[in-house]
Amino acid sequence: QKEVEQNSGPLSVPEGAIASLNCTYSDRGSQSFFWYRQYSGKSPELIMSIYSNGDKEDGRFTAQLNKASQYVSLLIRDSQPSDSATYLCAVNRGADKLIFGTGTRLQVFP
Amino acid sequence: GAGVSQSPSNKVTEKGKDVELRCDPISGHTALYWYRQSLGQGLEFLIYFQGNSAPDKSGLPSDRFSAERTGGSVSTLTIQRTQQEDSAVYLCASSLGGPLTDTQYFGPGTRLTVL
Repeated sequence: QKEVEQNSGPLSVPEGAIASLNCTYSDRGSQSFFWYRQYSGKSPELIMSIYSNGDKEDGRFTAQLNKASQYVSLLIRDSQPSDSATYLCAVNRGADKLIFGTGTRLQVFP
Repeated sequence: GAGVSQSPSNKVTEKGKDVELRCDPISGHTALYWYRQSLGQGLEFLIYFQGNSAPDKSGLPSDRFSAERTGGSVSTLTIQRTQQEDSAVYLCASSLGGPLTDTQYFGPGTRLTVL
């Protein structure tokens, strides 16, 4: 079992819809959770971080964390074609290491 | 510069040769990370520096890989006797503090091709 698992996609949604990206992790001791966006050929950039159970909203993005079920999700409201990218889930496993999933490719079509 | 810089941006080498990759973090960032990303794959953690010391080297794939950081700033990742499976994009990131809570800012990467 991978430490951080994501569906590779592609996840295709129409413009204006809600895109839902999911991530599960194996280490119950994980404390910090991050979503990075990576455009093709570019480096990852942080979208959201979340540390406690519940929802965290930032503009069109909402991160959801459920530690009991060991999953974290990212919702993108009013999806735009410019949101088309690979979304990487990252989980802090211990103080010194961030483990990344393989990413979900999102395609938003007009 | 404002961001993390890496050099070279591209490196093509022959199998068996040694290569050195350089990372210049954001000024004032104490933490520095190296990752590897193979085609279509996620980021593979290699090593993390806090200042000049590396608390966790467990991600280095083999003893052909080594890294150092001097003066709490620039870091070099050295791969000796390169193999074709070393071909990947090597990404460096830095953060103000440690990985527990701080945002990691990534450099543009070095694309390594081993022929």
